[in-house]
This record gives sequence, C-alpha cells and structure tokens, in this order.
Amino acid sequence: GAGVSQSPRYKVTKRGQDVALRCDPISGHVSLYWYRQALGQGPEFLTYFNYEAQQDKSGLPNDRFSAERPEGSISTLTIQRTEQRDSAMYRCASSYGQGGYEQYFGPGTRLTVT
Amino acid sequence: AQSVTQLGSHVSVSEGALVLLRCNYSSSVPPYLFWYVQYPNQGLQLLLKYTTGATLVKGINGFEAEFKKSETSFHLTKPSAHMSDAAEYFCAVSDRNTDKLIFGTGTRLQVFP
Repeated sequence: GAGVSQSPRYKVTKRGQDVALRCDPISGHVSLYWYRQALGQGPEFLTYFNYEAQQDKSGLPNDRFSAERPEGSISTLTIQRTEQRDSAMYRCASSYGQGGYEQYFGPGTRLTVT
Repeated sequence: AQSVTQLGSHVSVSEGALVLLRCNYSSSVPPYLFWYVQYPNQGLQLLLKYTTGATLVKGINGFEAEFKKSETSFHLTKPSAHMSDAAEYFCAVSDRNTDKLIFGTGTRLQVFP
C-alpha cells in the first residue's frame, strides 16, 4: 500500500472486553510508533518498535495495554479489560528509522468503550 | 523531560493575512522539531521539520518556521493565508535518541474570507 493503514477504523466495544488494533506500516519502514489522541489534544506517545524489538513502552498507561510486532512489519496494540477512559483515537506511524526521519501517520482507529 | 507549548488554541485570520502559530519547547539539548497539520477526519501530515543546519525551514503549502535556540521557539508562519489552510496544527519535538514525538495541544486555524 501507499501509506500506513490501520484497522478497524472504528471500534465500539463494551467495558471489560479486550480489543486488538492493527497497524500495517509502509513497506521497508524500520520504526513503528503508537500514539493515542484524546479529543482536543495532541497525540500522546505510547510505545515504539525498531524492527521487531520494542524499544520504549514508557507511554503505555498501565499493564492492560500491550503491543507487539513479531515479524518487524505489522503491529498490534491490545487493550485488555477496556474501560471508558480508554476511548480515544489510536494512531500508528512508521518511519525509515531514527535520526529525525519523518513519521508517516495512519488514519487512526477511533475506539469507543461503552 | 521535554515539553511543547503552543500559545493560542484558536487563531483566526482573514484570507490573505499573515499566519503566525507559536511554539515553544523545553529541552536540555536542541531537539528535532516538527510541525504537523491535521485536516478534519484525516491523519497527521508533516508540514516541515528541523533537524540540523539552516534554522529557517521551508515546508509544504508555503509554510516556513524558524528555529531560535535562544528563545527555544519554532514558530510557524505563512505570508498569506488561504481558505484551504483551515485545519489543526501541531508542533512536536523529539529527542535525538528515540525519535518519539512529544506533541503540543494544537492550534486550530480558521481562515475567514
């Protein structure tokens, strides 16, 4: 594909359910980032990968949140036992690597927890 | 810790007027600096970035920004606003080790005819 894709684009789930959000980066991009954006706010860093290695997960709010990128390409962000406060836009970005390269953002997944 | 402050959550200008969106950062060492634009119901698009070298950076759609280390600022300007510039603009910084972006809270630009 030409850009970063994310699925699903919209997800409505009931409190307590687990959700998995998928990110398909631009082919050849080494680095992959996850951000969360609340309404009226800027994106907030969650975690990032270089190839399959999770380099920094300091932004994950708590242990209900986890992410993986097992083959260094597609990544999944999983939220267990969702809560209403988890409702937000979840954005994925990818880049060629570190050193100030542009991060290309996907369209995001709008998560609503009811 | 790094942080970004965008002064003015909303800025309104007339078509053809100067656009000035302010961004100040806090960092112990000069970071990488970025401006992203977000159109309604779309993802973020990079306008321009500063990593090293010339402090005046030109981006897409006629925007430019100047890195001023002494003022820890990276303000975004455009000489003449166009209706199509109406969007939300985010300033962001990243440190040179991780490239994770720290975003400001955004400035919504309105352009009136």
